[in-house]
Amino acid sequence: SQQGEEDPQALSIQEGENATMNCSYKTSINNLQWYRQNSGRGLVHLILIRSNEREKHSGRLRVTLDTSKKSSSLLITASRAADTASYFCATDEGETSGSRLTFGEGTQLTVNP
Amino acid sequence: DAGITQSPRHKVTETGTPVTLRCHQTENHRYMYWYRQDPGHGLRLIHYSYGVKDTDKGEVSDGYSVSRSKTEDFLLTLESATSSQTSVYFCAISEISVGIQYFGAGTRLSVL
Repeated sequence: SQQGEEDPQALSIQEGENATMNCSYKTSINNLQWYRQNSGRGLVHLILIRSNEREKHSGRLRVTLDTSKKSSSLLITASRAADTASYFCATDEGETSGSRLTFGEGTQLTVNP
Repeated sequence: DAGITQSPRHKVTETGTPVTLRCHQTENHRYMYWYRQDPGHGLRLIHYSYGVKDTDKGEVSDGYSVSRSKTEDFLLTLESATSSQTSVYFCAISEISVGIQYFGAGTRLSVL
């Protein structure tokens, strides 16, 4: 089963609204990352949050991490049509991960103009 | 796409034929990865490399082999392609272990 699982699977909002996506994972981690994928393209890294951090910001992105609940959320504020994409969380598995990340199945975000 | 080139970008082949996909990087990153992406399964790791001639299996390695004879090239081979290997294949690179990964544009493979 997936280490990281995103929720919801799909999200449709209007331009200007905020979008929140959640990620849950199973084992202890060193860091958690969020990626974005536009249709037909490769994934692009958005933000990395370490296990000893609780919140991180990058432009309109805000990521939180709750290691006690093994969960993270990605908030996109004031969304734009160009934010339409799939968003994935990725985690390592702490000491047992080797050099691997495990990706969730993603949240498909649609921002309607 | 961060100095990563995947070739070919599209390929159609027949069941039972061998197929090799190439990933070439110009970033001199140590770690290279091959993933496949399928609807309902997200991105799954096939194999990865942590140095020249150093490789390890991922989650879905059966039916695939890899080779890395130079830092810049990581080859993925399907020895005898099957229809279940129809997928989009992504290569990624990373400078450090479990660090940020940079992805290529993908190879769309159809096995008929």
